[in-house]
Amino acid sequence: AQKITQTQPGMFVQEKEAVTLDCTYDTSDPSYGLFWYKQPSSGEMIFLIYQGSYDQQNATEGRYSLNFQKARKSANLVISASQLGDSAMYFCAMRDLDSNYQLIWGAGTKLIIKP
Amino acid sequence: EAQVTQNPRYLITVTGKKLTVTCSQNMNHEYMSWYRQDPGLGLRQIYYSMNVEVTDKGDVPEGYKVSRKEKRNFPLILESPSPNQTSLYFCASSSIVAGELFFGPGTRLTVL
Repeated sequence: AQKITQTQPGMFVQEKEAVTLDCTYDTSDPSYGLFWYKQPSSGEMIFLIYQGSYDQQNATEGRYSLNFQKARKSANLVISASQLGDSAMYFCAMRDLDSNYQLIWGAGTKLIIKP
Repeated sequence: EAQVTQNPRYLITVTGKKLTVTCSQNMNHEYMSWYRQDPGLGLRQIYYSMNVEVTDKGDVPEGYKVSRKEKRNFPLILESPSPNQTSLYFCASSSIVAGELFFGPGTRLTVL
């Protein structure tokens, strides 16, 4: 069965430091997509970054990058130069692109940036 | 502006009083979905739809109904709400090809 695991329930990071949020996944499907979403305290879900299973290069979007290690089935989110506004819940998700397109969600990591 | 809208954003109601939460997207997306989010339980899918007139149950469909009569709209219906349906609800949509899920702003529902 497909599964997403985020092993860090919470993290404290000093402002301006880089932070890595862990995500491992389990699937037997060859074609899938991996997503990261941010949920600030205001509640909205904000899409951050996407990595396709066939993408050769790691995805990057501004200060966000996805460290995709396919053999290890990990898709860690790296935030460079963290800011106070990065404090939020972060969710990793996986989508099967061959069959039913459903997203499987991780439990989330609560990130708190300290000034 | 490409967006998913939900209404109402906040709702307090009483047990048994039927309610509908509307969801609309303007991106011509085939796929639409409803989630509920509860503390410590993450996002759980209620229902989803792959296209007009095609709906399927998610992980927690009990107590909910949906319909997809038009591509842009995907209302969530609670026929007889109960307190255990107090939650934060999200509607989301995507193009099946592109994959990224666009979320609405969320609806905070309290059932007394």
